[in-house]
Amino acid sequence: DQQVKQNSPSLSVQEGRISILNCDYTNSMFDYFLWYKKYPAEGPTFLISISSIKDKNEDGRFTVFLNKSAKHLSLHIVPSQPGDSAVYFCAASARYNFNKFYFGSGTKLNVKP
Amino acid sequence: KAGVTQTPRYLIKTRGQQVTLSCSPISGHRSVSWYQQTPGQGLQFLFEYFSETQRNKGNFPGRFSGRQFSNSRSEMNVSTLELGDSALYLCASSPDGVSQETQYFGPGTRLLVL
Repeated sequence: DQQVKQNSPSLSVQEGRISILNCDYTNSMFDYFLWYKKYPAEGPTFLISISSIKDKNEDGRFTVFLNKSAKHLSLHIVPSQPGDSAVYFCAASARYNFNKFYFGSGTKLNVKP
Repeated sequence: KAGVTQTPRYLIKTRGQQVTLSCSPISGHRSVSWYQQTPGQGLQFLFEYFSETQRNKGNFPGRFSGRQFSNSRSEMNVSTLELGDSALYLCASSPDGVSQETQYFGPGTRLLVL
């Protein structure tokens, strides 16, 4: 059961523009969400998180938005840089399930110089 | 602090064999989770260990097992390997494995089953 979905397998953006990566979930019990970045042959690197008590969290060029009613979150990268080219995964967990995270299938971002 | 380490990084096995992968969490982290990543798939949760006890389990067959030692290091074992077990196996650690706690990943072990 795919409880977390990233429906765009890839995204191409021009350097300096905004990248918007989307993620949908089905389980209303999810209350913590993470975004990871992954380069080939490396493990995922934590980027940014958001708790369900917030609807926005910022960290430098990265902002995550959470729309609980739509069960949707998005990651905005502004401005996009070529070094941001990687696969981005969103992940979700529920309080009752400790550290069991459900991951989306990933979106491959390509930032063109 | 050193990050999560996994050994070996690469492994080639044949069908029917068994394999053991190792994970050393970040110092002080007591929760270790294992994930499988196959091409085109997201990370699939295998299991989570905390204080030497399996606390959470994903939907994988019993051929996949794990354990955790008193120093929080963890191993996972796959018996009777199948071609479909070829994947990147990732280990992640977090301090206490409580809710709303970030997991930090190791580089993974790439397993190829021939």
